[in-house]
Amino acid sequence: SQTIHQWPATLVQPVGSPLSLECTVEGTSNPNLYWYRQAAGRGLQLLFYSVGIGQISSEVPQNLSASRPQDRQFILSSKKLLLSDSGFYLCAWRVPGRANNEQFFGPGTRLTVL
Amino acid sequence: AQSVTQLGSHVSVSEGALVLLRCNYSSSVPPYLFWYVQYPNQGLQLLLKYTSAATLVKGINGFEAEFKKSETSFHLTKPSAHMSDAAEYFCAAPGGSARQLTFGSGTQLTVLP
Repeated sequence: SQTIHQWPATLVQPVGSPLSLECTVEGTSNPNLYWYRQAAGRGLQLLFYSVGIGQISSEVPQNLSASRPQDRQFILSSKKLLLSDSGFYLCAWRVPGRANNEQFFGPGTRLTVL
Repeated sequence: AQSVTQLGSHVSVSEGALVLLRCNYSSSVPPYLFWYVQYPNQGLQLLLKYTSAATLVKGINGFEAEFKKSETSFHLTKPSAHMSDAAEYFCAAPGGSARQLTFGSGTQLTVLP
C-alpha cells in the first residue's frame, strides 16, 4: 500500500531563517506531487506541483521554492522566511494518468514564523 | 473552467441531528467530484467520491452525497451527527489543469452536545 510522510510535523522558525520541509511517498512510482498551504482561516492554496524528477510548476509567485531530487521525494524550501509564511503545509500525491485527479494527502507540517 | 462553491463556511448542529454540507459545481459535465475531511492539525482524508457509477455515493463514517445534475450540486449528508464528526470538510473537482483538483473554501462543522 502507498503511504506519504512529511517532516517535521511542527516547526517554529524566526523571520529571515531558511526552511526545508520534506515529503516522501512510498509504494508507488513516478507520482505527481503537490505542495499546498493553509493559512489561518483560509482554504487550500496550491503552491507547487511536479510530474517528475526536476520538473516543478509554480502556481503562486512567492518566497518559496520546491525541488524534486528523487522520484518520490518533494522538498519545499525558502532562503528567508517571512511572517506570512506561517501556516499548515500539506503534501499530496496522485497516480499519473488517472482521469479523476484524486489526490492523497500527507499529515502536514505546522510552520510558525516568529 | 471547473469551480467549486461551498455554501456556509461554518455549520453547527446538535449531536444526533442531520448534517448537511452544501457543494455546488460549475461545468457542463463534471465526471468526478470529491469530499475530503480534515481533522485539526491533520491532512485531508477522502470521505467519498463520485465517478459517474451511481448518483448516490456512500462514504466512510456514515456520510453520503448525492450528485444532482439538474441542481449542479453534490451535497454531503449524515443522518445523525456525532461529536467525532467535528472537522473541516472540503468539496473538490478536477480543475486548474489536467493534473489538479479545485477545492472549495471549506466548511467547518461544529457538533454541539
